[in-house]
Amino acid sequence: ETGVTQSPTHLIKTRGQQVTLRCSSQSGHNTVSWYQQALGQGPQFIFQYYREEENGRGNFPPRFSGLQFPNYSSELNVNALELDDSALYLCASSETELATDTQYFGPGTRLTVL
Amino acid sequence: SQQGEEDPQALSIQEGENATMNCSYKTSINNLQWYRQNSGRGLVHLILIRSNEREKHSGRLRVTLDTSKKSSSLLITASRAADTASYFCACTGGFKTIFGAGTRLFVKA
Repeated sequence: ETGVTQSPTHLIKTRGQQVTLRCSSQSGHNTVSWYQQALGQGPQFIFQYYREEENGRGNFPPRFSGLQFPNYSSELNVNALELDDSALYLCASSETELATDTQYFGPGTRLTVL
Repeated sequence: SQQGEEDPQALSIQEGENATMNCSYKTSINNLQWYRQNSGRGLVHLILIRSNEREKHSGRLRVTLDTSKKSSSLLITASRAADTASYFCACTGGFKTIFGAGTRLFVKA
């Protein structure tokens, strides 16, 4: 148990729809990172938030956006869903904004886009 | 493209044997971490090795880092069936952590 929770566990959407995934970080962890993991692949970095500001982003289009709240919760929003967005979405929290910190991962949300 | 490349992609061994997984990366890093993932669930942090370290141990795990060759290895000694999982190296530089595609380890009882 890492103390990081995600909801929902599974989600099915259709192409073109919008989705919001939620994450609750460990208390005291000011950084949350989101990753997309396609089947059989390693996690791909989407973006990172530190104290409610985005401070790093991977190669994902602007239709992937996020929010981080003062109560250690965060959201990943994806607009105009595409079939290739089907994946396991992982959030990870850490104490500081430094990537050198250990990240604690949640169990993930499996998104299926039909 | 992914920073870390694991080798082999898959490994099948008998319980009690040692398992060695390798990771190569392309650019400078601050540290390198190894994670385990069971069957498409969340990742579990195993060990972190900093760029100025060469070897670290944690229980049955031994990690080495060779920054001149841009490579790392993870050794699991006396493997158990419960070690069956996917193992990922993750390279950290700046604000990003970049994962490799993973090694799938299967330990036969």
